[in-house]
Amino acid sequence: KAGVTQTPRYLIKTRGQQVTLSCSPISGHRSVSWYQQTPGQGLQFLFEYFSETQRNKGNFPGRFSGRQFSNSRSEMNVSTLELGDSALYLCASSRPGTGFTGELFFGEGSRLTVL
Amino acid sequence: DQQVKQNSPSLSVQEGRISILNCDYTNSMFDYFLWYKKYPAEGPTFLISISSIKDKNEDGRFTVFLNKSAKHLSLHIVPSQPGDSAVYFCAAFGQGGSNYKLTFGKGTLLTVNP
Repeated sequence: KAGVTQTPRYLIKTRGQQVTLSCSPISGHRSVSWYQQTPGQGLQFLFEYFSETQRNKGNFPGRFSGRQFSNSRSEMNVSTLELGDSALYLCASSRPGTGFTGELFFGEGSRLTVL
Repeated sequence: DQQVKQNSPSLSVQEGRISILNCDYTNSMFDYFLWYKKYPAEGPTFLISISSIKDKNEDGRFTVFLNKSAKHLSLHIVPSQPGDSAVYFCAAFGQGGSNYKLTFGKGTLLTVNP
């Protein structure tokens, strides 16, 4: 069974540009979450989607947005990039079932560097 | 405000000995706790979890202990193996998971020396 797939794996952008990251969850998983990992802050929750609906959003500025498609694939977008947006962006999916268990299946991440 | 704290950025132990990773939390609404392991260039993987109605959960070499009154949990790895060398993240959620969000600590780098 294929795992969570994130593209691109690495990218370099300059300040002011925008970026779109893609995530394909494990087949059959309908919930997709996004987390930002930085050395100083650990993993921080960005947002969670289920059936194309955002169910929760973390404490990030409006420059960070996301969406989910009918096939459960998800994208996140960061506009007007800042140096501090340099991070590993992790996507995770979770098994369908009764309620949130916290057991997430993470992709390998997209490493964004902003120059 | 760091609601989940892992105060030790790193820990080094000898192969075969016990590794103890610690985690403290401040949010009394958290009622479920998890540990994730992360190797370089890979995403985190779920390791073990514990509900607040328990004080211990065991899975092979891994045991998680929860002390609710102290708002403290720990992960014990016995015996430690070189392949256990990774970053370990403590995570928590509450409200029955109704906000679909994990709050993570900053991680502890465990190095197991042969």
